[in-house]
Amino acid sequence: DAGITQSPRYKITETGRQVTLMCHQTWSHSYMFWYRQDLGHGLRLIYYSAAADITDKGEVPDGYVVSRSKTENFPLTLESATRSQTSVYFCASSADRVPYEQYFGPGTRLTVT
Amino acid sequence: AQSVTQLDSQVPVFEEAPVELRCNYSSSVSVYLFWYVQYPNQGLQLLLKYLSGSTLVKGINGFEAEFNKSQTSFHLRKPSVHISDTAEYFCAAYAGNNRKLIWGLGTSLAVNP
Repeated sequence: DAGITQSPRYKITETGRQVTLMCHQTWSHSYMFWYRQDLGHGLRLIYYSAAADITDKGEVPDGYVVSRSKTENFPLTLESATRSQTSVYFCASSADRVPYEQYFGPGTRLTVT
Repeated sequence: AQSVTQLDSQVPVFEEAPVELRCNYSSSVSVYLFWYVQYPNQGLQLLLKYLSGSTLVKGINGFEAEFNKSQTSFHLRKPSVHISDTAEYFCAAYAGNNRKLIWGLGTSLAVNP
């Protein structure tokens, strides 16, 4: 199906483990984004990517790593998970043209114990 | 500094009543403005957007918003809400670079019978 998908939808992991959240979009959008959503903080940008092999930090990048070897995929890795990274993570994509609206995936709820 | 401010964190309303969710933006952001809706356990979905032209913008599900440049506001309205409108609503503005959006913290709309 066309659109933007995330996997897994739910994940429980232990402190110190590495975990990777996957994001895949079928629109060939150039831009992709990772956000985390926490109560009281709204959406905060973790990393974004303008194209394959081009990534940049957002507001809260510490503890996260991204890569983008293909236009359609934008995985987010927590190298050593901490309890403070318990959150809901959203991936989004955006086309090159105005109005730059973003299209969101369904989210991954991550719990770090 | 660039900012988007949603003036109400929670708005309770009875079914079939009108509702207004308020959003102000700083004059330093672009005037590409958006409202998104997030239903429980789902990703964000675009409700409507303002790019230029008519200051009254109509979106999905009977929502509309009015762009007011002099008051730097972009308030969302619906004349008669339904239980199914219960959701989190986010106002956003294009940041002017790298397709990033500046997000408000969200307004939780609770429609009661």
